[in-house]
Amino acid sequence: SYVLAQPPSVSVAPGKTARVSCGGDNIGSKSVHWYQQRPGQAPVLIISHDTARPSGIPERFSGSNSGNTATLTINRVEAGDEADYYCQVWNSNNFDYVFGAGTKVTVL
Amino acid sequence: EVQLVESGGGLVQPGRSLRVSCAASGFAFEQYAMHWVRQVPGKGLEWVASVSWNSATILYADSVKGRFTISRDNANRSLFMEMESLREGDTALYYCARDESGTATGGMDVWGQGTTVTVAS
Repeated sequence: SYVLAQPPSVSVAPGKTARVSCGGDNIGSKSVHWYQQRPGQAPVLIISHDTARPSGIPERFSGSNSGNTATLTINRVEAGDEADYYCQVWNSNNFDYVFGAGTKVTVL
Repeated sequence: EVQLVESGGGLVQPGRSLRVSCAASGFAFEQYAMHWVRQVPGKGLEWVASVSWNSATILYADSVKGRFTISRDNANRSLFMEMESLREGDTALYYCARDESGTATGGMDVWGQGTTVTVAS
């Protein structure tokens, strides 16, 4: 089964840049989607197909994907960005959808 | 307003069955693929099942294959999941989610608030 590896946690000071990685075998050949989940709330799609931002998502959020690593970048981090972030792909080899284990972003 | 509302969760004994539902509103339900995703409190997201817009493609996670059945009723804008032979490991918050596409190849761009399923004796 396809595995997506995310760091358990990332800490960042307000106004700085946070980067959350998502590692997978040749993940650059897949479309990666990113979700934000604040405590007690449902997930929200913040990046789809590697780099696309759905309507209403701030430009501070961006994504990239190449080789064996996809990355979510959050610029000018705000207190409200504190949440769990999940990457997800469609695994066509096994006909399933795979989520990473999630990364807790803490704003210092 | 685009909205998904899950219902039908509850407490059920191991080995029994339960049916959860998801009511859609505010968008052309029949044009989108749909998913069920579950989450154990304090843990990560786990994809459970998906159905394409016309029910031609249905997929299941290995953990539920043969026990869970996803279905949809486009006329009534509803998504369902029949869960049989439930196990304690199926205890979770079950989310209904819309796919960006009709063929379930996009991200999940609309989520409900979830319905809790607890399997315990």
